[in-house]
Amino acid sequence: NAGVTQTPKFQVLKTGQSMTLQCAQDMNHEYMSWYRQDPGMGLRLIHYSVGAGITDQGEVPNGYNVSRSTTEDFPLRLLSAAPSQTSVYFCASSYRDRNYEQYFGPGTRLTVT
Amino acid sequence: DAKTTQPNSMESNEEEPVHLPCNHSTISGTDYIHWYRQLPSQGPEYVIHGLTSNVNNRMASLAIAEDRKSSTLILHRATLRDAAVYYCILRDGSSSNTGKLIFGQGTTLQVKP
Repeated sequence: NAGVTQTPKFQVLKTGQSMTLQCAQDMNHEYMSWYRQDPGMGLRLIHYSVGAGITDQGEVPNGYNVSRSTTEDFPLRLLSAAPSQTSVYFCASSYRDRNYEQYFGPGTRLTVT
Repeated sequence: DAKTTQPNSMESNEEEPVHLPCNHSTISGTDYIHWYRQLPSQGPEYVIHGLTSNVNNRMASLAIAEDRKSSTLILHRATLRDAAVYYCILRDGSSSNTGKLIFGQGTTLQVKP
């Protein structure tokens, strides 16, 4: 199993540009989520999904969109990038009946200039 | 979600035990205590979780106070690879399973050779 994969690893955007961060898992996990981590801080939940076709907002959803058309993929879209969205983004997934053990991807480091 | 309090940083010597404390005085009866850790430049990884009784696994032990207002993560023999940020997280076991984790600041553990 590849586990949770994220692409790209690094990205630089200009203010106002849009892009999609990709997240995929091959463990047939029902739950997937996106977090952001600012320097020296803990992770904050952006959006999450409890299954294909179902998404909901986390703590800091503004400026981001998600969709979940398949069990495997959970892309995160930045609609109009702002410098405040400079951060490291982590995707995570878990089984429904073992959601205490979440698996995190390696992260995408995004810089918005 | 109930709040946890952890020391900002701790130091340990290699091959010695490490006790990482966590206070959660407002814990409710249905809250589980979870620990994750984040190695430098990586995503978080699950360590252990428990409800009332002490728990052991291959990575660590979790000691929970009788009144559940505090807990301690125990690494029995610290190695250099254990240098990481350790997060103590409370999750409501009675709420719908959404896979959400609420991260605080965590404890940065330094391990000295």
